[in-house]
Amino acid sequence: NAGVTQTPKFQVLKTGQSMTLQCAQDMNHNSMYWYRQDPGMGLRLIYYSASEGTTDKGEVPNGYNVSRLNKREFSLRLESAAPSQTSVYFCASSDRGQGNTIYFGEGSWLTVV
Amino acid sequence: GDSVTQMEGPVTLSEEAFLTINCTYTATGYPSLFWYVQYPGEGLQLLLKATKADDKGSNKGFEATYRKETTSFHLEKGSVQVSDSAVYFCALGTMNYGGSQGNLIFGKGTKLSVKP
Repeated sequence: NAGVTQTPKFQVLKTGQSMTLQCAQDMNHNSMYWYRQDPGMGLRLIYYSASEGTTDKGEVPNGYNVSRLNKREFSLRLESAAPSQTSVYFCASSDRGQGNTIYFGEGSWLTVV
Repeated sequence: GDSVTQMEGPVTLSEEAFLTINCTYTATGYPSLFWYVQYPGEGLQLLLKATKADDKGSNKGFEATYRKETTSFHLEKGSVQVSDSAVYFCALGTMNYGGSQGNLIFGKGTKLSVKP
């Protein structure tokens, strides 16, 4: 029952450092997403991938890049971390065959100091 | 654009009290509506959903009815438990984002605390 798995769960970065958040799903879903969650803001979409080989910007893409490595994996990269990117990041996936219900990973807590 | 507005929290109730968390939406077309729950330190889990007007979603004693006339999807539970303490998110699912897939637009979340 793995579902959506993301790593790392916790990370502290210094301003200017880079890092990649990894995400994999085992539900054979076509669509994958990266959201960030900030207090009082709900969840906001960073990037999404409708299918393998495609990626598109969401609501808050600045400062991030993504790679849809294959159908299972969708990574999020911070090239030069900033304190404003301190947040909880959630990877998710969905499929039209399941009524577009979106399934979430457990989250990655990122702090940029 | 599409949006979701849900009541601000926190909401504090005693065990066995009745719960209502209001959610209204603005959308073009015919979106699906969802309630997600987030327990402390965890990711979001789908609680219930409704895909068309007048549908009622239900799960674990929670219910919500898709009301197109009032553009609402209020979450209710007749008798809350301490274990229901969590943050609840109302969300709207649209097929319009990118034109080819579903995405969710979330409300800001309502924190529920249930006291014994």
